[in-house]
Amino acid sequence: KAGVTQTPRYLIKTRGQQVTLSCSPISGHRSVSWYQQTPGQGLQFLFEYFSETQRNKGNFPGRFSGRQFSNSRSEMNVSTLELGDSALYLCASSLMSGVGAFFGQGTRLTVV
Amino acid sequence: ELKVEQNPLFLSMQEGKNYTIYCNYSTTSDRLYWYRQDPGKSLESLFVLLSNGAVKQEGRLMASLDTKARLSTLHITAAVHDLSATYFCAVETGRAYIFGTGTRLKVLA
Repeated sequence: KAGVTQTPRYLIKTRGQQVTLSCSPISGHRSVSWYQQTPGQGLQFLFEYFSETQRNKGNFPGRFSGRQFSNSRSEMNVSTLELGDSALYLCASSLMSGVGAFFGQGTRLTVV
Repeated sequence: ELKVEQNPLFLSMQEGKNYTIYCNYSTTSDRLYWYRQDPGKSLESLFVLLSNGAVKQEGRLMASLDTKARLSTLHITAAVHDLSATYFCAVETGRAYIFGTGTRLKVLA
């Protein structure tokens, strides 16, 4: 059974640019959630999608957005990148909302 | 504001010893999770605790939940080197998932 797949694994962007990260959940999983991990702020919840609807949202500015497609694949977009957006972005999938999670390997974003 | 505090932040222990990691949270919660993260890797789900008094065990790790005290513990029995990692607890509030600061565990041979 394939795990959670995140692409790309590594990304370097310039301040002011925008970026889109992709997450393919485990087959059959309908919930996808996104997290940001930095040395300073630790692990922070961004948002959760279930059946194409955003169910939960963390405390991040509107520059961070996401969506989920009918096949449960999810994308996260960050616009007007700032240096502080450099982080490991993790995606997790679950059968149902909140019932444990399987994490992908993450996308390491560096903003220069 | 919901806060989740773990202690200790760093733990260095000898193989064969027992120790407990604590996770305190500041408001009522629906569920509590424990995860493990190895350096440079993603998170691995260890336990999901759903109700007061829940206890789950897997190998040398045992997690428990006291919702009245807003406290979860992760107990390590007879530590081995392979348990060296960072351990996170996370609390689900119904609107978001809040992670603790993590406990970096190093088991010394």
